[in-house]
Amino acid sequence: AQSVSQHNHHVILSEAASLELGCNYSYGGTVNLFWYVQYPGQHLQLLLKYFSGDPLVKGIKGFEAEFIKSKFSFNLRKPSVQWSDTAEYFCAVNARGGGFKTIFGAGTRLFVKA
Amino acid sequence: GAGVSQSPRYKVAKRGQDVALRCDPISGHVSLFWYQQALGQGPEFLTYFQNEAQLDKSGLPSDRFFAERPEGSVSTLKIQRTQQEDSAVYLCASSMGAASWRNEQFFGPGTRLTVL
Repeated sequence: AQSVSQHNHHVILSEAASLELGCNYSYGGTVNLFWYVQYPGQHLQLLLKYFSGDPLVKGIKGFEAEFIKSKFSFNLRKPSVQWSDTAEYFCAVNARGGGFKTIFGAGTRLFVKA
Repeated sequence: GAGVSQSPRYKVAKRGQDVALRCDPISGHVSLFWYQQALGQGPEFLTYFQNEAQLDKSGLPSDRFFAERPEGSVSTLKIQRTQQEDSAVYLCASSMGAASWRNEQFFGPGTRLTVL
């Protein structure tokens, strides 16, 4: 069965610090990978996605993620966080040809101190 | 409206009551998903509709859970004889195409269900 593991449940950073949120998944086949973000009081929204091609994916608001197939990882990065990046971040995966399920990790709450 | 809407936003039910949760997807979106999000967890897949057809209901936790989308637009998730473990946020998402894994899912605000 597919699963997604996010290593940090809570992260606290100061503004301008660099961010890396870990995500590992378990599935032996071809996968599609996503990062979703939920800002306080708002809906879940897509931050970035990887289907194929360049394993370094750029998303909105300066975020990027790198797919490393050999490590089953899809870590999210941002060189310099802002107070407005305070949110909960979810890594998600679905398997091509594996039906309609998207499997989400438990989420990482990021708090950025101004 | 421009986004996915859900109603009610909050629902408190006594154990044993039936509840119905509504989702209005983005107009024209073919795919519709229901998720259950327990406190401190990520969303867990419940069921998937392509237009009016329920193509995957493998995530429904018991036969007390039932979902429908009779005309291929609005969907209702019904929970019969609610139990305390049903307390969660129920999220609805829609996406434009039928090939769900390639399409971005747009989420609604969720319905927070509390069963006393």
